Amino acid sequence: GEQVEQLPSSLIVQEGASVLINCSYTDSASVYFPWYKQEPGKRLQFIIDIRSNMERKQNQRLTLLFDKKTKHLSLHITATQPGDSAIYFCSARGGSSNTDKVVFGTGTRLQVSP
Amino acid sequence: NAGVIQTPRHKVTGKGQEATLWCEPISGHSAVFWYRQTIVQGLEFLTYFRNQAPIDDSGMPKERFSAQMPNQSHSTLKIQSTQPQDSAVYLCASSILGPYAEQFFGPGTRLTVL
Repeated sequence: GEQVEQLPSSLIVQEGASVLINCSYTDSASVYFPWYKQEPGKRLQFIIDIRSNMERKQNQRLTLLFDKKTKHLSLHITATQPGDSAIYFCSARGGSSNTDKVVFGTGTRLQVSP
Repeated sequence: NAGVIQTPRHKVTGKGQEATLWCEPISGHSAVFWYRQTIVQGLEFLTYFRNQAPIDDSGMPKERFSAQMPNQSHSTLKIQSTQPQDSAVYLCASSILGPYAEQFFGPGTRLTVL
């Protein structure tokens, strides 16, 4: 079945820095890749997504790049703020069995210091 | 809109007891998902329903875990004979149907098995 890997597992940066979170998946039939953020004590929250027929998507300070050939995604966050401190999860949906099932990556814990 | 509702928020059981976790999806959402979140394993898919029908339970430990969705407004996850390794945060999510639908997560139920 689908496997999703995420690197790095944790990041500590100063406010204002840019960060890059990498994600790779195994099932070439996956069609949709939503990303979620989990702030301490809060529920997972959708932040950005990309479909398999796209290469790039931007939402304010978030830019998501997708390479279908290498089955790789990367989330770029610019001008980080302490409020960006959270665990970030990539995920893959769809897959060979055309399922609604979503497989999540292992998460990247981002800590932004003021 | 309260979003996805999960009850109880915390549950403590003794080893060997039964635990039932409840989820109320967002009205109008036809897909309901259950996940287990731990520090070690991350976010693990357990099972999901589409229009109340069980579609994929590939992540469920077969012997002691069961899930039901008796009506469109709630789903339950039952764990029989709970074991310490069942201690985790159990998350419920719902979405509309479709290959590009983001999921909306509940706050989770933290299960502690003593």
